[in-house]
Amino acid sequence: KNEVEQSPQNLTAQEGEFITINCSYSVGISALHWLQQHPGGGIVSLFMLSSGKKKHGRLIATINIQEKHSSLHITASHPRDSAVYICAVRLGTSGSRLTFGEGTQLTVNP
Amino acid sequence: DTAVSQTPKYLVTQMGNDKSIKCEQNLGHDTMYWYKQDSKKFLKIMFSYNNKELIINETVPNRFSPKSPDKAHLNLHINSLELGDSAVYFCASAREGQGAYEQYFGPGTRLTVT
Repeated sequence: KNEVEQSPQNLTAQEGEFITINCSYSVGISALHWLQQHPGGGIVSLFMLSSGKKKHGRLIATINIQEKHSSLHITASHPRDSAVYICAVRLGTSGSRLTFGEGTQLTVNP
Repeated sequence: DTAVSQTPKYLVTQMGNDKSIKCEQNLGHDTMYWYKQDSKKFLKIMFSYNNKELIINETVPNRFSPKSPDKAHLNLHINSLELGDSAVYFCASAREGQGAYEQYFGPGTRLTVT
């Protein structure tokens, strides 16, 4: 069983819908990252957080350390948001390595 | 200006060959990484270097040898390529110190072994 679990694996939405992607982890962490991988393959860091909530444009990331859970929300979704969203955790005792979830494939239809 | 660059972007080669992938970052970061993304899009750490010193070496066949000539470069050399080595390889870099920092990824190198 992977130390980082994401749900759902696949998500299809209509343009304008509010989207939530969930990430649960089973170990102590020092930080959690949300990454976006576009169809072209490039990976971009969206957020890094260790507590609370961060917002950037239409994207919001939250983390609950006690529950070992994080969510990525997209408001007013758009077809250009279609991508794979990857949760990754930096394990508290293992230095700088990241451990990745399996990703969530999001498709937003016009 | 490209922050983290990799060459080549695509690499097609035959089994048994030796190949190298190069990575360079111009962000002044201390730490660089190699990740492998398999056909199911799952990313996994392979190596990490901090200031030219190896700090993470996951369970990777010793046919894979990273080399860091300076802290801006981390190259990956692969000997005796096998079919199972086909994947996308991503280089990344981050500033290290107290706390955690964002990682910046290169564009990836798609390796196909035939």
